[in-house]
Amino acid sequence: AQKVTQAQTEISVVEKEDVTLDCVYETRDTTYYLFWYKQPPSGELVFLIRRNSFDEQNEISGRYSWNFQKSTSSFNFTITASQVVDSAVYFCALIVGGTSYGKLTFGQGTILTVHP
Amino acid sequence: EPEVTQTPSHQVTQMGQEVILRCVPISNHLYFYWYRQILGQKVEFLVSFYNNEISEKSEIFDDQFSVERPDGSNFTLKIRSTKLEDSAMYFCASSKQNTEAFFGQGTRLTVV
Repeated sequence: AQKVTQAQTEISVVEKEDVTLDCVYETRDTTYYLFWYKQPPSGELVFLIRRNSFDEQNEISGRYSWNFQKSTSSFNFTITASQVVDSAVYFCALIVGGTSYGKLTFGQGTILTVHP
Repeated sequence: EPEVTQTPSHQVTQMGQEVILRCVPISNHLYFYWYRQILGQKVEFLVSFYNNEISEKSEIFDDQFSVERPDGSNFTLKIRSTKLEDSAMYFCASSKQNTEAFFGQGTRLTVV
């Protein structure tokens, strides 16, 4: 069975600080996909990124960057120069195999609060 | 931009009543899903649906739950006899083959 662990329950930062959200996953499958979703106070789940197990290249999108390391089974998410609008719950998630792309296993989520 | 839409946004029902949650997935998507999130907890997979049948379901998805795609656009989740512990946010999602799932805004179900 697969598992996703987000050890940080809550993080609080001041605007413009950098913040890294940790994600550690467990699976025996060699083919898997990792995701990050954002859940703002309004409640919806917003897709941020997908990464497959064969692509360890780090990715940067504006103030967001992701560090995928298979050696440590981690897929960490960094927000540079955080803003109040980044305040949300962030979920890391995993899909294994290639039969279904929607059966996500979610971590517990990290509540990020960015103070002005 | 296409999106998954869910109705209603909030439903209150009495214990033992049947409830139907409705979703309109993104039109060219082939895979449909229901997830739930009990308040303050993680999001949990309930069921996936492809080619007019359930492709996978979790242990949460027992005989009290059913899904249906009654026409070409809607995707519904029915809970036959609601229990207090069914109170949660229910998310519908859809995806194309081999892509990420896009989620709706959720329906907050409160069983009293």
